[in-house]
Amino acid sequence: KNEVEQSPQNLTAQEGEFITINCSYSVGISALHWLQQHPGGGIVSLFMLSSGKKKHGRLIATINIQEKHSSLHITASHPRDSAVYICAVRITYTGNQFYFGTGTSLTVIP
Amino acid sequence: NAGVTQTPKFQVLKTGQSMTLQCAQDMNHEYMSWYRQDPGMGLRLIHYSVGAGITDQGEVPNGYNVSRSTTEDFPLRLLSAAPSQTSVYFCASSRLAGVRDTQYFGPGTRLTVL
Repeated sequence: KNEVEQSPQNLTAQEGEFITINCSYSVGISALHWLQQHPGGGIVSLFMLSSGKKKHGRLIATINIQEKHSSLHITASHPRDSAVYICAVRITYTGNQFYFGTGTSLTVIP
Repeated sequence: NAGVTQTPKFQVLKTGQSMTLQCAQDMNHEYMSWYRQDPGMGLRLIHYSVGAGITDQGEVPNGYNVSRSTTEDFPLRLLSAAPSQTSVYFCASSRLAGVRDTQYFGPGTRLTVL
């Protein structure tokens, strides 16, 4: 059983499209992180959320604690956004260790 | 700052061989961790450390050992490599194990066990 579920698994979009990636979790968490894994394999942190909404450039992340759900939005998508986006949660009962979703592979076509 | 560094980037081992994956960070982070990433699965925690001299097991610790003699270094040892340990390994660090701290990841080590 995976505590973190992401959808969709794969996503192809035309340049300029608005993109949404979803993350659902089933247990109590202390924080949720969105990560980006580049085609070369490197992983960088995009957002850390414990409530509400955050925005950075064309990326917006939201979290609904009651519904145990988070979304990552990309506005005006660009081919350089092509990457794997990973949702990770810190699960309270495990001493705040990270648990990761399997990732959403995004391809943006020019 | 170099951030989090890992060596080697690629490694091929034969079953039964041992090796150490190196991880170092220059950000004075207390919390360091090792993950493995397998196709179709999320990153899974192998071992972690909340400071020098303190380590603990994660979700998938079997077949791996760690030690933390300094704040900067957190090596991962494979005692007797098995094909099931073929994976991409990531080291990560953060200031604390606190909930608001961002993790910084190394570039990864791709390990193949034949």
